Amino acid sequence: GENVGLHLPTLSVQEGDNSIINCAYSNSASDYFIWYKQESGKGPQFIIDIRSNMDKRQGQRVTVLLNKTVKHLSLQIAATQPGDSAVYFCAENRGAGSYQLTFGKGTKLSVIP
Amino acid sequence: DSGVTQTPKHLITATGQRVTLRCSPRSGDLSVYWYQQSLDQGLQFLIHYYNGEERAKGNILERFSAQQFPDLHSELNLSSLELGDSALYFCASSAGTSDSTDTQYFGPGTRLTVL
Repeated sequence: GENVGLHLPTLSVQEGDNSIINCAYSNSASDYFIWYKQESGKGPQFIIDIRSNMDKRQGQRVTVLLNKTVKHLSLQIAATQPGDSAVYFCAENRGAGSYQLTFGKGTKLSVIP
Repeated sequence: DSGVTQTPKHLITATGQRVTLRCSPRSGDLSVYWYQQSLDQGLQFLIHYYNGEERAKGNILERFSAQQFPDLHSELNLSSLELGDSALYFCASSAGTSDSTDTQYFGPGTRLTVL
């Protein structure tokens, strides 16, 4: 039947612990990947990106890992804080001159104080 | 604050009506994108404009149309509205370089409710 709502995977972590959010993408031709954070009532906020010629990229408290062999992307958040609570989306640009982003379904991160 | 602005923040209307959503991109950005976020479909790409010209279409219904004006702001027009059009509509902008690794920055969205 028709979905009445997205069932978002949920990750609950203790404040101060590290978080790992995973994403599987579908198109082996995708050449650019982005993680977005969306807080309730707000638009998606850019966190970090990675090009397909890289395996790892680090930002402030965040690291993105790309495994092209198994088409897997992960976002690691170090020392997770209550302000990190949000829905996290991975997005892929399918290359070939396309600017269109295809978003995953999202993961809800809940930080326990 | 991403620098992308959208108006109105909320819109409530009836089935069969027509509405216009407005977006101002970040200063200097030439590309504007529209996305729809619904509970059952997630974030879906609708359409992309670059410097006034349509560049790509995604899952956009024929009842929907968009344009980008010379000052680079964009409008998304939704007509013959149905209950299922109720969703969050986001605009994003990017610099619009020839490199497809062009980061898109999202606005706060317009929440459309069709009654």
